[in-house]
Amino acid sequence: DSGVTQTPKHLITATGQRVTLRCSPRSGDLSVYWYQQSLDQGLQFLIQYYNGEERAKGNILERFSAQQFPDLHSELNLSSLELGDSALYFCASSVSLPEGTGFDNEQFFGPGTRLTVL
Amino acid sequence: GENVEQHPSTLSVQEGDSAVIKCTYSDSASNYFPWYKQELGKRPQLIIDIRSNVGEKKDQRIAVTLNKTAKHFSLHITETQPEDSAVYFCAASIRIQGAQKLVFGQGTRLTINP
Repeated sequence: DSGVTQTPKHLITATGQRVTLRCSPRSGDLSVYWYQQSLDQGLQFLIQYYNGEERAKGNILERFSAQQFPDLHSELNLSSLELGDSALYFCASSVSLPEGTGFDNEQFFGPGTRLTVL
Repeated sequence: GENVEQHPSTLSVQEGDSAVIKCTYSDSASNYFPWYKQELGKRPQLIIDIRSNVGEKKDQRIAVTLNKTAKHFSLHITETQPEDSAVYFCAASIRIQGAQKLVFGQGTRLTINP
């Protein structure tokens, strides 16, 4: 158990719908990352939040958005869903070191949410 | 741009033999290189990582080597066991304006044959 929790574990919905995935980081971690993993594919970085603010964006579609709340949990919103959005969505968290330390650090992954769009 | 190439995509070895997975990265600013193991339907789990100020790191049967000049890093698993069967992902981290971004390779499906 990494200490990162994600809900729900599974989600089945129809095309055109909107869903919200939730992530709670490890205690003390300020950074949250979202990744998409399609069938037999690698992990695609979507977006990073640090202490409530967006820090980095990857290949995130305009139909997708995210936010991090004051209690540090994060939500990923997926709208106008398409069949191709079916995937495993992982959240990860990390301890963010102060600026100037030079190196990055381990990301701990949650169990994922499996989204199926029918 | 940022890119991580991972080879091979599949690897099958006999139990007890060694397995080697190789990755190359494109961004010379990358400074952190984790390796993750992912079993079917489960979350990626970190198995070993290396930072750019080190050339090699070992943890029991697992080792990682880094060649910064060639922008190349490798995972070595010795004395393989059936429970090593999984998909392995390499990644390279870059820091952009204070934000950390992990770029993953496409994964290697490792099968250990008893």
